[in-house]
Amino acid sequence: GAVVSQHPSWVICKSGTSVKIECRSLDFQATTMFWYRQFPKQSLMLMATSNEGSKATYEQGVEKDKFLINHASLTLSTLTVTSAHPEDSSFYICSARQNRLNEQFFGPGTRLTVL
Amino acid sequence: GENVEQHPSTLSVQEGDSAVIKCTYSDSASNYFPWYKQELGKGPQLIIDIRSNVGEKKDQRIAVTLNKTAKHFSLHITETQPEDSAVYFCAAMIKAAGNKLTFGGGTRVLVKP
Repeated sequence: GAVVSQHPSWVICKSGTSVKIECRSLDFQATTMFWYRQFPKQSLMLMATSNEGSKATYEQGVEKDKFLINHASLTLSTLTVTSAHPEDSSFYICSARQNRLNEQFFGPGTRLTVL
Repeated sequence: GENVEQHPSTLSVQEGDSAVIKCTYSDSASNYFPWYKQELGKGPQLIIDIRSNVGEKKDQRIAVTLNKTAKHFSLHITETQPEDSAVYFCAAMIKAAGNKLTFGGGTRVLVKP
């Protein structure tokens, strides 16, 4: 159990376009999901906390108008990178927290390359 | 906020030997400490975790110890195998603070056959 999927697994886009990444909890409900960014050979950096039915909470330094988060249901959160630029190229990973538990289960990640 | 430091950044061991990774945290309010294994190009996988009311936990070849007084916790892998080669991350969470995880910098473990 506790499987989290992400789609797409990789995407290449042109500078200035927008990219949407989906995060789904497949076999459990997740009121809270998290979005991380990971640059090569670095640790995971939390970008935002996604709460079902309410606005996301962004970490300091993360532009909320650039990284749009929508948590439309208990099993789906989306991250849209708007007007992407090459510096947005990174590995984006989501996690979902099982309700009433501490454990976070991570998705397989989405590699974004902006040309 | 919470700060988690992890050492060493790289670790090379011979197959069959033990590997130990150490982490320290700054906020005494942290009460949940998971460890993750991340293989190249994949998301992190939870391998073991420990809560602040427990000092040690073991799962087959993997064990974690927690010293709340010193604010450090360690991952022990015994009888290492080549498939243990990966990047390992420790993390700390304050349950009352939105369940946000703060990650250590990671340890790249290489098990040489």
